[in-house]
Amino acid sequence: EVQLVESGGVVVQPGGSLRLSCAASGFTFPDYTMHWVRLAPGKGLDWVSLINWDGSVIYYSDSVKGRFTISRDNSKNSLYLHMSRLRTEDTALYYCAKDCDFGGNCFDFWGPGTLVTVSS
Amino acid sequence: IVMTQSPDSLAVSLGERATINCKSSQSVLFSSNNNNYLAWYQQKPGQPPKLLLYWASTRAPGVPDRFSGSGSGTEFTLTISSLQAEDVAVYSCHQYYTTPSSFGQGTKLEIK
Repeated sequence: EVQLVESGGVVVQPGGSLRLSCAASGFTFPDYTMHWVRLAPGKGLDWVSLINWDGSVIYYSDSVKGRFTISRDNSKNSLYLHMSRLRTEDTALYYCAKDCDFGGNCFDFWGPGTLVTVSS
Repeated sequence: IVMTQSPDSLAVSLGERATINCKSSQSVLFSSNNNNYLAWYQQKPGQPPKLLLYWASTRAPGVPDRFSGSGSGTEFTLTISSLQAEDVAVYSCHQYYTTPSSFGQGTKLEIK
């Protein structure tokens, strides 16, 4: 059974930093591109970043580029998101999501999410 | 690519048909394989999104056949043929034709 479990979400002040983690199990983690997607209060889903199987291909949304860094450790079946220079508009539930088995960058499994609140 | 769903919310009686529309600001049809890079997700309160459909009309494993998808290019539809109580959720379309990928704003489906 595929499982994704995020952790690391906390309340942080504007300008602060944070690292989110996602522990993966139930599938061959090194074989898949992985994503971070967020859901802000009252808003729609918002794709944040992706990393391919070996970390050689990385993309970010314009809203986080230069502030967030995605990484992975295939030996630990783990995905990470380092977030810096946080803004109040980064407040959201952050999900890690697995690339679809069927080809294309849709998301066939999601974790339950971890809540990041940016507030003074 | 900007994804726009309609309506923002919808109330349908049990057993009736529910229809949600999604428009993309540019085509998500890849001509070389004739696939529309469009997915639909269902998100119930307190749960993560669940993949319902991909390639615009292919049901994900385990998804009931009352859920169907149609459309091509820039206009797509999610149809629930006979609404069940457990279908109350927010439904979102998602284009994965480009990176960054993008989602519609979501449609909240309730029971009338």
